[in-house]
Amino acid sequence: GQNIDQPTEMTATEGAIVQINCTYQTSGFNGLFWYQQHAGEAPTFLSYNVLDGLEEKGRFSSFLSRSKGYSYLLLKELQMKDSASYLCAVSHLNYGGATNKLIFGTGTLLAVQP
Amino acid sequence: EPEVTQTPSHQVTQMGQEVILRCVPISNHLYFYWYRQILGQKVEFLVSFYNNEISEKSEIFDDQFSVERPDGSNFTLKIRSTKLEDSAMYFCASSESPNNEQFFGPGTRLTVL
Repeated sequence: GQNIDQPTEMTATEGAIVQINCTYQTSGFNGLFWYQQHAGEAPTFLSYNVLDGLEEKGRFSSFLSRSKGYSYLLLKELQMKDSASYLCAVSHLNYGGATNKLIFGTGTLLAVQP
Repeated sequence: EPEVTQTPSHQVTQMGQEVILRCVPISNHLYFYWYRQILGQKVEFLVSFYNNEISEKSEIFDDQFSVERPDGSNFTLKIRSTKLEDSAMYFCASSESPNNEQFFGPGTRLTVL
């Protein structure tokens, strides 16, 4: 089976740093994505990790440990516009076909307060 | 910047009616997907499509659902006889390769009455 866990909600202060954790159990792992989703809108891509380690991209960084089934998204210098849901998604390798589907967690709703 | 587009943005239909949701993927992308998100729930995979055929489908994607690429630009999702529980936001996505990020369209909000 496949299972992805992340906290339901988090609150942080403008200018601070926040870390959103994600744990997963899945077969056919082919990488982990983080997406941002504002209410009523489409998910937008933030980061992708397929190898262990840290990927940094401006104010956003993402870490992956494949052996532990663990990832986190780190947001620095938080801004009010960062208030959104953050979705952890595992890319699941399709052995019989050409495409890899994304399996999403329930998302972490981040509220950034002044 | 290229983007995935979807029409309509909202669709209201009666139970039992057929609906077709339309998507125009990014032009140089070859891999296409449909996902849905019931209000307040997680994004769920429905189906993936490559080289003019379904690559993978979920258990949600039963005989009531079908996908088609009728021409070189459009990618459609058809629900033959809608049910109340089909009410959701439907997202189309496309990617350049299986391992690249999937770009999502703005979604079609489907309401079945």
